[in-house]
Amino acid sequence: AQSVTQPDIHITVSEGASLELRCNYSYGATPYLFWYVQSPGQGLQLLLKYFSGDTLVQGIKGFEAEFKRSQSSFNLRKPSVHWSDAAEYFCAVGRVNTGTASKLTFGTGTRLQVTL
Amino acid sequence: DTEVTQTPKHLVMGMTNKKSLKCEQHMGHRAMYWYKQKAKKPPELMFVYSYEKLSINESVPSRFSPECPNSSLLNLHLHALQPEDSALYLCASSLYPKVLAANEQFFGPGTRLTVL
Repeated sequence: AQSVTQPDIHITVSEGASLELRCNYSYGATPYLFWYVQSPGQGLQLLLKYFSGDTLVQGIKGFEAEFKRSQSSFNLRKPSVHWSDAAEYFCAVGRVNTGTASKLTFGTGTRLQVTL
Repeated sequence: DTEVTQTPKHLVMGMTNKKSLKCEQHMGHRAMYWYKQKAKKPPELMFVYSYEKLSINESVPSRFSPECPNSSLLNLHLHALQPEDSALYLCASSLYPKVLAANEQFFGPGTRLTVL
């Protein structure tokens, strides 16, 4: 069965510092991977996605992620964090159920706190 | 129009009440989803509608009853809920239900439900 692990429950970084959020997946075939961000009390916003091709994916708000098949990882990075980046970040893997519909499996999330 | 809207934003109901949550999208998406999210947890899939037909029911109690009147609307009817059903209820949509590359789901802002 597919699964996603986000090892870090909570990360604190200073504004202007670089950021890396870790995501490891378990999936038998080529994974379809996503990073979503959720501000408190809000819905989820897609930051970026990986389906195939270039393993370095650019997203919105200055985020990027790198797919590494050998490490089963899809880590999210940002060179310089802004205070407005404080939020919950979810990594997810997608799967098609034959005859039904696609589903996303989410990791447990990483809460990012940004200090000024 | 590139958004998913949900009403109401907040809902407080007693255990004997009947209420409904509403979700709407005008992006031409043919898959729509209901998720339940408890505090500090990832979203949990409840239901998936594929081309207006119920495609996935993740063993959700019958006190939750989904309905998809047309391709733009998704309702969640609530009856005889329990306090533990208090959560953020998220609606999402995606372009095609069975195409994995279209698994990119667009989320609404959610309805914060409190059951007294």
